[in-house]
Amino acid sequence: EVQLLESGGGLVQPGGSLRLSCAASGFTFSSYAMTWVRQAPGKGLKWVSGISGSGDSTYYADSVKGRFTISRDNSKNTLYLQMNSLRAEDTAVYYCAKVRSIMVRGVLDSWGQGTLVTASS
Amino acid sequence: QTVVTQEPSFSVSPGGTVTLTCGLSSGSVSTDYYPSWYQQTPGQAPRTLIYSTNTRSSGVPDRFSGSILGNKAALTITGAQADDESDYYCVLYMGSGFWVFGGGTKLTVL
Repeated sequence: EVQLLESGGGLVQPGGSLRLSCAASGFTFSSYAMTWVRQAPGKGLKWVSGISGSGDSTYYADSVKGRFTISRDNSKNTLYLQMNSLRAEDTAVYYCAKVRSIMVRGVLDSWGQGTLVTASS
Repeated sequence: QTVVTQEPSFSVSPGGTVTLTCGLSSGSVSTDYYPSWYQQTPGQAPRTLIYSTNTRSSGVPDRFSGSILGNKAALTITGAQADDESDYYCVLYMGSGFWVFGGGTKLTVL
């Protein structure tokens, strides 16, 4: 059974940094691309970033490009999202989601439970 | 900027059938977009219902089905039950490594 467990969320001041982690189990982690999706309070889902199974290819939504960095450690079966220069509008629950492909394309088929990031003074 | 459109809200009677749609602000949805559907209740993570247009995720009842209707992707719930009352999101793969979600449909069963 696929399991994804996010951690690292919390309260941070605007302009600050935070690193999210997503521990994966139940599948061959390196064989699948991964993504981050966020959901602001009371709002819909928004795709944030994606990374290929090898980690060679990364993609970002325009709203986070240059501020967020996605990475993965396949030896630890863990996905990361380094978030810098956080803004109030980055406040959201962040979900990691598994892609049904080694490349960043197609289908998001499994989800973690999410971790809440609050950027506020 | 591409916008994925969904009905903001929908209502269905218990036992009834409802079809939610997922369109594009410009153009038609096709299987090339790998349309997928997710169910989300308050405070919970999304649950995958349908992917690649019409493939049910493991454990999803067969009263949930996906299709392309005209120029939109569609999610049909047949024999709606009280616990189907949720938010439903579609997502389209736009190419070049990114996805766009629709705004979600709040389904009421009453």
